[in-house]
Amino acid sequence: SAVISQKPSRDICQRGTSLTIQCQVDSQVTMMFWYRQQPGQSLTLIATANQGSEATYESGFVIDKFPISRPNLTFSTLTVSNMSPEDSSIYLCSVVKDEKLFFGSGTQLSVL
Amino acid sequence: DQQVKQNSPSLSVQEGRISILNCDYTNSMFDYFLWYKKYPAEGPTFLISISSIKDKNEDGRFTVFLNKSAKHLSLHIVPSQPGDSAVYFCAAPTSGTYKYIFGTGTRLKVLA
Repeated sequence: SAVISQKPSRDICQRGTSLTIQCQVDSQVTMMFWYRQQPGQSLTLIATANQGSEATYESGFVIDKFPISRPNLTFSTLTVSNMSPEDSSIYLCSVVKDEKLFFGSGTQLSVL
Repeated sequence: DQQVKQNSPSLSVQEGRISILNCDYTNSMFDYFLWYKKYPAEGPTFLISISSIKDKNEDGRFTVFLNKSAKHLSLHIVPSQPGDSAVYFCAAPTSGTYKYIFGTGTRLKVLA
């Protein structure tokens, strides 16, 4: 398995500001993934973060809105930029081990 | 296009009885399926998986059944316990990638 520490666990932010979410894994992994769960909806993949290269974004998500850093094999950050109320969601980082996804505890973001 | 569907948003079951959670998929290329459990304010945790070469996988109180011809899988929990109350997601990785597609989840409530 994998132990993933994610912070902050929750935040309430003002419209137009940015929030950076941090994710630390207890072992080295090639890929880290960022998911979003909007209220009452499924988990949607935002992007895949690879160490040493730019993140790969899924359709509907762009780097200017969700910049990602991956400075080493155990750490990644996701920034939610210029936030609007529509960005209110749970944000989750995850890694794959033995074909299973393991998740951090999530960041509950509310944008006013 | 929702490739993984959970048509029941919620389910209530009496303690000690069987809980059956259903999941349908449309992509015949899916060959591996997972179930996750999510408590409030926590990230999803892996519960059980099944490969398409099997039609059943059992782990303690949890059994997953796969019907490939119907593109349907189900999770059985026997006996159900109040601690099983959570949201359950089924998921499948897109073939050849680490992109996991999730259903919308079923909220299970086990009544004491």
